[in-house]
Amino acid sequence: AQSVTQLGSHVSVSEGALVLLRCNYSSSVPPYLFWYVQYPNQGLQLLLKYTSAATLVKGINGFEAEFKKSETSFHLTKPSAHMSDAAEYFCAVSEGQAGTALIFGKGTTLSVSS
Amino acid sequence: DVKVTQSSRYLVKRTGEKVFLECVQDMDHENMFWYRQDPGLGLRLIYFSYDVKMKEKGDIPEGYSVSREKKERFSLILESASTNQTSMYLCASSLGQGASEKLFFGSGTQLSVL
Repeated sequence: AQSVTQLGSHVSVSEGALVLLRCNYSSSVPPYLFWYVQYPNQGLQLLLKYTSAATLVKGINGFEAEFKKSETSFHLTKPSAHMSDAAEYFCAVSEGQAGTALIFGKGTTLSVSS
Repeated sequence: DVKVTQSSRYLVKRTGEKVFLECVQDMDHENMFWYRQDPGLGLRLIYFSYDVKMKEKGDIPEGYSVSREKKERFSLILESASTNQTSMYLCASSLGQGASEKLFFGSGTQLSVL
Protein backbone atom coordinates (compact mmCIF):
# COMPACT_ATOMS: atom_id res chain seq x y z
CA ALA A 1 0.00 0.00 0.00
CA GLN A 2 1.16 3.51 -0.69
CA SER A 3 2.00 5.94 2.08
CA VAL A 4 3.67 9.27 2.70
CA THR A 5 5.75 10.47 5.63
CA GLN A 6 6.45 14.13 6.15
CA LEU A 7 9.35 14.71 8.50
CA GLY A 8 8.67 17.58 10.86
CA SER A 9 5.19 18.84 11.64
CA HIS A 10 6.51 22.41 12.05
CA VAL A 11 9.35 24.18 10.27
CA SER A 12 10.41 27.72 11.09
CA VAL A 13 12.66 29.84 8.89
CA SER A 14 13.67 33.47 8.63
CA GLU A 15 12.65 35.55 5.66
CA GLY A 16 15.21 35.04 2.89
CA ALA A 17 16.38 31.67 4.21
CA LEU A 18 16.20 28.36 2.41
CA VAL A 19 12.98 26.40 2.80
CA LEU A 20 13.27 22.61 2.94
CA LEU A 21 10.24 20.45 3.62
CA ARG A 22 10.87 16.73 3.68
CA CYS A 23 8.70 13.98 2.22
CA ASN A 24 9.35 10.26 1.88
CA TYR A 25 6.97 7.91 0.14
CA SER A 26 6.23 4.24 -0.16
CA SER A 27 4.72 2.80 -3.31
CA SER A 28 4.73 -0.58 -5.00
CA VAL A 29 4.73 0.97 -8.47
CA PRO A 30 6.31 4.12 -9.94
CA PRO A 31 4.40 6.84 -8.16
CA TYR A 32 2.82 10.13 -8.99
CA LEU A 33 3.90 12.64 -6.35
CA PHE A 34 2.36 15.97 -5.43
CA TRP A 35 2.84 18.92 -3.12
CA TYR A 36 -0.21 20.91 -2.12
CA VAL A 37 -0.35 24.11 -0.08
CA GLN A 38 -3.11 25.37 2.18
CA TYR A 39 -3.02 29.02 3.18
CA PRO A 40 -4.93 30.03 6.33
CA ASN A 41 -8.69 29.72 5.87
CA GLN A 42 -8.34 28.62 2.27
CA GLY A 43 -8.65 25.38 0.36
CA LEU A 44 -5.78 23.26 -0.93
CA GLN A 45 -4.05 24.21 -4.13
CA LEU A 46 -1.49 22.33 -6.18
CA LEU A 47 2.11 23.54 -5.94
CA LEU A 48 3.68 20.96 -8.24
CA LYS A 49 3.53 17.34 -9.31
CA TYR A 50 5.90 14.63 -10.51
CA THR A 51 4.68 12.19 -13.14
CA SER A 52 7.85 10.37 -14.26
CA ALA A 53 9.15 13.02 -16.65
CA ALA A 54 11.96 15.23 -15.31
CA THR A 55 13.09 14.37 -11.78
CA LEU A 56 13.38 18.05 -10.85
CA VAL A 57 9.96 19.60 -10.88
CA LYS A 58 9.31 23.32 -10.78
CA GLY A 59 6.09 24.64 -9.32
CA ILE A 60 4.38 27.90 -8.55
CA ASN A 61 5.73 30.66 -6.29
CA GLY A 62 9.38 29.61 -6.76
CA PHE A 63 9.05 26.16 -5.21
CA GLU A 64 10.63 23.05 -6.65
CA ALA A 65 10.97 19.41 -5.68
CA GLU A 66 13.33 16.64 -6.68
CA PHE A 67 12.29 13.02 -7.10
CA LYS A 68 14.97 10.65 -5.80
CA LYS A 69 14.01 7.06 -6.37
CA SER A 70 16.97 5.63 -4.46
CA GLU A 71 15.97 7.59 -1.38
CA THR A 72 12.19 7.33 -1.97
CA SER A 73 12.06 11.05 -1.35
CA PHE A 74 10.36 14.08 -2.85
CA HIS A 75 11.56 17.04 -0.78
CA LEU A 76 10.20 20.53 -1.43
CA THR A 77 12.57 23.50 -1.54
CA LYS A 78 12.58 27.22 -2.12
CA PRO A 79 15.82 29.22 -2.15
CA SER A 80 14.49 32.27 -0.33
CA ALA A 81 11.45 32.31 1.94
CA HIS A 82 8.88 35.09 1.87
CA MET A 83 6.44 35.95 4.62
CA SER A 84 3.65 34.99 2.25
CA ASP A 85 4.93 31.38 2.17
CA ALA A 86 3.62 30.77 5.68
CA ALA A 87 1.10 27.97 5.24
CA GLU A 88 0.56 24.27 5.67
CA TYR A 89 2.15 22.01 3.07
CA PHE A 90 1.03 18.51 2.19
CA CYS A 91 2.92 15.86 0.28
CA ALA A 92 0.78 13.25 -1.49
CA VAL A 93 1.26 10.06 -3.50
CA SER A 94 -0.85 8.23 -6.05
CA GLU A 95 -0.14 5.00 -7.87
CA GLY A 96 -2.13 6.34 -10.80
CA GLN A 97 -3.92 3.09 -11.43
CA ALA A 98 -7.66 2.83 -11.96
CA GLY A 99 -9.45 2.55 -8.67
CA THR A 100 -6.75 4.18 -6.57
CA ALA A 101 -6.74 7.52 -4.77
CA LEU A 102 -4.35 10.22 -3.63
CA ILE A 103 -2.92 9.60 -0.17
CA PHE A 104 -1.72 12.61 1.82
CA GLY A 105 0.90 13.06 4.48
CA LYS A 106 0.11 14.68 7.83
CA GLY A 107 1.31 18.07 6.72
CA THR A 108 4.07 20.48 7.65
CA THR A 109 3.31 23.96 8.92
CA LEU A 110 5.82 26.50 7.67
CA SER A 111 6.37 29.65 9.73
CA VAL A 112 8.38 32.55 8.33
CA SER A 113 9.74 35.24 10.62
CA SER A 114 11.05 38.66 9.67
CA ASP B 1 -13.32 28.26 -14.18
CA VAL B 2 -13.43 24.79 -12.70
CA LYS B 3 -15.54 24.37 -9.62
CA VAL B 4 -16.17 21.93 -6.78
CA THR B 5 -19.05 23.08 -4.62
CA GLN B 6 -19.82 21.80 -1.16
CA SER B 7 -23.33 22.57 0.00
CA SER B 8 -22.51 23.98 3.44
CA ARG B 9 -19.52 25.83 4.88
CA TYR B 10 -20.53 25.25 8.50
CA LEU B 11 -22.86 22.63 9.92
CA VAL B 12 -23.90 21.86 13.49
CA LYS B 13 -25.65 18.57 14.23
CA ARG B 14 -26.68 16.55 17.25
CA THR B 15 -25.31 13.14 18.19
CA GLY B 16 -27.31 10.41 16.49
CA GLU B 17 -28.58 12.55 13.63
CA LYS B 18 -28.25 11.42 10.02
CA VAL B 19 -26.07 13.92 8.18
CA PHE B 20 -25.71 14.47 4.46
CA LEU B 21 -22.76 16.35 2.99
CA GLU B 22 -23.19 17.18 -0.67
CA CYS B 23 -20.54 17.84 -3.28
CA VAL B 24 -21.02 18.85 -6.91
CA GLN B 25 -18.38 19.34 -9.62
CA ASP B 26 -18.89 20.94 -13.00
CA MET B 27 -15.81 19.57 -14.78
CA ASP B 28 -17.11 16.18 -15.95
CA HIS B 29 -14.45 14.48 -13.80
CA GLU B 30 -14.56 10.72 -13.35
CA ASN B 31 -13.01 10.65 -9.90
CA MET B 32 -14.46 12.14 -6.74
CA PHE B 33 -13.13 11.93 -3.19
CA TRP B 34 -14.10 12.65 0.38
CA TYR B 35 -11.38 13.48 2.91
CA ARG B 36 -11.52 14.66 6.46
CA GLN B 37 -8.91 17.08 7.78
CA ASP B 38 -7.94 17.15 11.44
CA PRO B 39 -5.07 19.09 13.07
CA GLY B 40 -1.94 16.97 13.23
CA LEU B 41 -3.48 14.19 11.16
CA GLY B 42 -3.52 15.81 7.74
CA LEU B 43 -6.06 14.66 5.18
CA ARG B 44 -7.43 11.16 5.56
CA LEU B 45 -9.35 9.46 2.79
CA ILE B 46 -12.86 8.34 3.71
CA TYR B 47 -14.33 7.13 0.42
CA PHE B 48 -13.81 7.72 -3.26
CA SER B 49 -15.54 6.97 -6.52
CA TYR B 50 -14.07 6.51 -10.00
CA ASP B 51 -17.36 6.16 -11.84
CA VAL B 52 -21.07 6.60 -11.38
CA LYS B 53 -22.48 4.12 -8.85
CA MET B 54 -18.95 2.93 -8.04
CA LYS B 55 -17.42 3.47 -4.62
CA GLU B 56 -14.28 2.41 -2.86
CA LYS B 57 -13.40 2.55 0.82
CA GLY B 58 -10.53 4.74 1.84
CA ASP B 59 -8.49 4.55 5.02
CA ILE B 60 -11.24 5.53 7.48
CA PRO B 61 -14.66 4.49 6.11
CA GLU B 62 -16.18 3.40 9.44
CA GLY B 63 -19.29 5.38 10.31
CA TYR B 64 -19.65 6.78 6.81
CA SER B 65 -21.31 5.83 3.55
CA VAL B 66 -21.44 7.50 0.14
CA SER B 67 -23.67 7.80 -2.86
CA ARG B 68 -22.88 8.65 -6.46
CA GLU B 69 -26.00 8.43 -8.60
CA LYS B 70 -24.85 11.07 -11.10
CA LYS B 71 -21.37 11.81 -12.37
CA GLU B 72 -21.29 15.34 -11.01
CA ARG B 73 -22.54 14.64 -7.49
CA PHE B 74 -20.92 12.73 -4.64
CA SER B 75 -22.63 12.61 -1.26
CA LEU B 76 -21.14 11.67 2.08
CA ILE B 77 -23.54 10.26 4.66
CA LEU B 78 -23.07 9.97 8.39
CA GLU B 79 -25.70 7.43 9.36
CA SER B 80 -25.61 8.32 13.06
CA ALA B 81 -23.37 11.26 13.80
CA SER B 82 -20.98 11.00 16.73
CA THR B 83 -18.81 13.62 18.42
CA ASN B 84 -15.63 12.05 17.01
CA GLN B 85 -16.88 12.92 13.54
CA THR B 86 -16.50 16.61 14.29
CA SER B 87 -14.06 17.67 11.59
CA MET B 88 -13.43 19.58 8.38
CA TYR B 89 -14.69 17.58 5.41
CA LEU B 90 -13.14 18.18 2.01
CA CYS B 91 -14.51 17.02 -1.31
CA ALA B 92 -12.28 16.81 -4.36
CA SER B 93 -12.45 15.68 -7.96
CA SER B 94 -9.96 14.79 -10.67
CA LEU B 95 -9.73 13.73 -14.27
CA GLY B 96 -7.69 10.76 -15.36
CA GLN B 97 -6.96 7.38 -13.97
CA GLY B 98 -6.30 6.77 -10.32
CA ALA B 99 -5.85 10.39 -9.17
CA SER B 100 -2.87 10.86 -11.50
CA GLU B 101 -4.01 14.36 -12.29
CA LYS B 102 -4.48 17.46 -10.20
CA LEU B 103 -7.17 17.36 -7.54
CA PHE B 104 -9.64 20.21 -7.42
CA PHE B 105 -10.91 20.84 -3.90
CA GLY B 106 -14.07 22.35 -2.56
CA SER B 107 -13.84 24.94 0.17
CA GLY B 108 -14.77 22.40 2.85
CA THR B 109 -17.56 21.82 5.35
CA GLN B 110 -16.74 22.33 9.02
CA LEU B 111 -19.01 19.87 10.82
CA SER B 112 -19.58 20.09 14.55
CA VAL B 113 -21.42 17.22 16.26
CA LEU B 114 -22.70 18.13 19.72
